[in-house]
Amino acid sequence: GDSVTQMEGPVTLSEEAFLTINCTYTATGYPSLFWYVQYPGEGLQLLLKATKADDKGSNKGFEATYRKETTSFHLEKGSVQVSDSAVYFCALSASGGSYIPTFGRGTSLIVHP
Amino acid sequence: GAVVSQHPSRVICKSGTSVKIECRSLDFQATTMFWYRQFPKKSLMLMATSNEGSKATYEQGVEKDKFLINHASLTLSTLTVTSAHPEDSSFYICSARDPNNEVEQYFGPGTRLTVT
Repeated sequence: GDSVTQMEGPVTLSEEAFLTINCTYTATGYPSLFWYVQYPGEGLQLLLKATKADDKGSNKGFEATYRKETTSFHLEKGSVQVSDSAVYFCALSASGGSYIPTFGRGTSLIVHP
Repeated sequence: GAVVSQHPSRVICKSGTSVKIECRSLDFQATTMFWYRQFPKKSLMLMATSNEGSKATYEQGVEKDKFLINHASLTLSTLTVTSAHPEDSSFYICSARDPNNEVEQYFGPGTRLTVT
C-alpha cells in the first residue's frame, strides 16, 4: 500500500538557519503530495502541495519539489523563524487510495531565538 | 481556501457520558468528510469516512457503536463518543472533501476531548 516516510524529529535549529525535512513516499500511480503544518493545540493547515512530477510547491518561504525519480518531496526553508516551530506532516493522496491522505509520522521543528 | 469548522474546540466530560463533536464545511458542500484521532506526539489515525446520506465506513479496529457518525447534510457531520472513558481522551480532527477537488482535503481545527 501507499506509505510516507519522514525524518524523525525533533529538529532543533537557531533562528535564520536553513531547514530541510526529508520526505519519501511509495505509491501506485501518480499521487499528489502535500505538506501540512500543525501548531500546538491546533488542527492541520495545508502548507503547500504539488500534483505532478517536477512541480514545486511554495508558501511562506517554504518550498518542496515533487521528485518522481527519487520519490521524494523534501521540505526546505532558507531562514527559519521562531514562529515556524510546529509539527510538519508530509502526506500523499492518490486515486488508488480513493484520495484519502496517507500521512507521515510528523516531524517536530523547534526554532530557538 | 475552503474553511472547515469544528465545535467544540475543547470539551471535558465525565466517564460514562456521551459527547457530540460537530464538523462543518462553511463555504462548500462536502459529500465526504473524514474523522481522525491524534494521540500525543503521533500522526493522524483515520477513524472513519462519512458520506452524506449513507452509513459511515469505519477503519479496522474502530468501534462503530462507540464512535457514532452522522452526516445528515452536505455541510455537517457529527461524531458522538458514547459512554466515554478516560482512554477516549484525545484530539479529534475532521476534514472535508470538496467534490470539485477530490485530491485535497480541508481540515478542521480539532477538538480536544478530556474524559475524567
